[in-house]
Amino acid sequence: AQSVTQLDSQVPVFEEAPVELRCNYSSSVSVYLFWYVQYPNQGLQLLLKYLSGSTLVKGINGFEAEFNKSQTSFHLRKPSVHISDTAEYFCAVTLSGGYQKVTFGTGTKLQVIP
Amino acid sequence: GAGVSQSPSNKVTEKGKDVELRCDPISGHTALYWYRQSLGQGLEFLIYFQGNSAPDKSGLPSDRFSAERTGGSVSTLTIQRTQQEDSAVYLCASSLVGLRSVSTEAFFGQGTRLTVV
Repeated sequence: AQSVTQLDSQVPVFEEAPVELRCNYSSSVSVYLFWYVQYPNQGLQLLLKYLSGSTLVKGINGFEAEFNKSQTSFHLRKPSVHISDTAEYFCAVTLSGGYQKVTFGTGTKLQVIP
Repeated sequence: GAGVSQSPSNKVTEKGKDVELRCDPISGHTALYWYRQSLGQGLEFLIYFQGNSAPDKSGLPSDRFSAERTGGSVSTLTIQRTQQEDSAVYLCASSLVGLRSVSTEAFFGQGTRLTVV
C-alpha cells in the first residue's frame, strides 16, 4: 500500500520569499503524485500533478514540484509567495494504472506573513 | 452540475441520531471517494468506490459507518448512532478512471460539515 508523509504541519514565510513544502511517499510500484490546495473555507483544488515524463511539473499560481524517484520525494516550490497563497497544501499519491484510491498526506499550512 | 455536489452543506445532529450524507459525482466519473477532515487531522480516507462496488473500505472507522453507491453515480454515507467525535467535514471526490485513462485526478465537493451535539 502507498503512503504519504508531509513533514511540516505549518510553514510560516514572509511575502515575496521562496518556499518549499516537503512531501515524501512510500510505494513499491509506480505512482502518480499530486498537490492539492485548500484555501480558507473552500474545497480542495488541484495545483499540479505528475503522471510520467519530465520530473519537473509546473502548476497553477506559479507553483512547481519535482519528482525525485531515488529520494521518493515530490516537494512543492514557489520562488516568491504572495499573501493570497496562504492556504493548506496536501500532497497525494495513487498507484499508476488506474482503479486505485488516492492517499493524502496530513497537510501543510502555509502562512504568508506580510 | 459540472462539479461534485454534496448535501447538506451543514448538518447539526444530536448524539445518538443517524445521519445521511449525499454525494453527486461528476457525470461519467467511475471512481468515488469519501474522506473525513477533522481539525488538525488532515484528510482521512474512508472508502473508495469503483462503479457500485467498494474495493477499499478500510478507512471506515467503525461499524456505525456505511456507504453505498447506486447506478454508478450517487453515493450516500450513513453514520448511525452519531458520537461527538464524528464531528468533522466529510468530503466527497470523484475521478475519471478508464482503460485508457492516464489521470486519476480527483475533483472534490465542498463538503458536509457535521456537528454532533
